[in-house]
Amino acid sequence: DVKVTQSSRYLVKRTGEKVFLECVQDMDHENMFWYRQDPGLGLRLIYFSYDVKMKEKGDIPEGYSVSREKKERFSLILESASTNQTSMYLCASSLGGPPYEQYFGPGTRLTVT
Amino acid sequence: TQLLEQSPQFLSIQEGENLTVYCNSSSVFSSLQWYRQEPGEGPVLLVTVVTGGEVKKLKRLTFQFGDARKDSSLHITAAQPGDTGLYLCAGFMIYNQGGKLIFGQGTELSVKP
Repeated sequence: DVKVTQSSRYLVKRTGEKVFLECVQDMDHENMFWYRQDPGLGLRLIYFSYDVKMKEKGDIPEGYSVSREKKERFSLILESASTNQTSMYLCASSLGGPPYEQYFGPGTRLTVT
Repeated sequence: TQLLEQSPQFLSIQEGENLTVYCNSSSVFSSLQWYRQEPGEGPVLLVTVVTGGEVKKLKRLTFQFGDARKDSSLHITAAQPGDTGLYLCAGFMIYNQGGKLIFGQGTELSVKP
């Protein structure tokens, strides 16, 4: 059974802290994605990666960075967390070719106080 | 700019009723995907439609891709409480020698027994 796991389901951090969100997939997928989900806004793409050590900015990359040192692992980093980064963060993976059918992890609910 | 508009945003119905969710855009998509998300979980892929005019059925769910590949609909017959969840459409566009998945803002469906 395919699986995408995320390191935490819930996380509470203080403003200014550095935050690491980890995502691991066991499907040998080439592509990995980080989204944030906010009510009424749907899913917005932060960053994606189509290969190890490769990354591409999505629609809202400001305030975030990513790391992909191994094919199965994709990390999202908030360099200095701010309250407007309070959100649900979803990681997904897909095969390399179109149409990028996504397999999602369960999400991390991040609260920044 | 919201490329994919979903309507309605909220829908509350009684068990046994029929419903239709719409996903509209002025852009042409190579394919369109529908996902369902339950509370506290990541979205799960229901179906991908690829050809203009295509109709796919999944038990009581019927998915249609518009002839011009700019819109799609999801029709549920005789809704059940287990259909409750957030329904998301996502259009795939060719972009920068790769591709990009654009999500609608979602339709929150509540089916009451």
